[in-house]
Amino acid sequence: DGGITQSPKYLFRKEGQNVTLSCEQNLNHDAMYWYRQDPGQGLRLIYYSQIVNDFQKGDIAEGYSVSREKKESFPLTVTSAQKNPTAFYLCASRRQGDKETQYFGPGTRLLVL
Amino acid sequence: EDQVTQSPEALRLQEGESSSLNCSYTVSGLRGLFWYRQDPGKGPEFLFTLYSAGEEKEKERLKATLTKKESFLHITAPKPEDSATYLCAVSLYGGATNKLIFGTGTLLAVQP
Repeated sequence: DGGITQSPKYLFRKEGQNVTLSCEQNLNHDAMYWYRQDPGQGLRLIYYSQIVNDFQKGDIAEGYSVSREKKESFPLTVTSAQKNPTAFYLCASRRQGDKETQYFGPGTRLLVL
Repeated sequence: EDQVTQSPEALRLQEGESSSLNCSYTVSGLRGLFWYRQDPGKGPEFLFTLYSAGEEKEKERLKATLTKKESFLHITAPKPEDSATYLCAVSLYGGATNKLIFGTGTLLAVQP
């Protein structure tokens, strides 16, 4: 059963702490994305990766970091430099090609203690 | 600046009462327009992609249409299970990212 999994579903961060959100896909997709969703705002792109070992900053990359060591995995680290981390984080993936669709995972809700 | 605007922000319908959601866009070069459905606390679920003006796609009670300035998501005889937030997004030519620019969504509530 192919799809995108994100874990954990809920994550609590203490002040000054780095936390890592997991995203795994078994769709054999080349490109992967991280978005942030806040109430009343559209999804905003944090980072994206089109191939293994390469990734690019999106519109709101400050305070975040990523890695892409395997095609299936694209973890996102929310660092202590991100001052307003409370949000719903969504991972997406797509095949390469002009007319391909982005598919989303179930999301991780990050809350600050 | 590339922008996507959805209206209305919220819509309440009675079961069986048909209506339309609007997605207007001002972008430099449209590659594709996407509709997603999002249930509370879940990730967006893909519904449709439209690529050129005049194109239409249908799925059960939903029909999406596209013009050069906007897209409509028509809901015919909705049922309570159609209640969700409907998101519109566009992808653009000229970018290597294939990133999506999203609207803020329309929250649809269908009452029995």
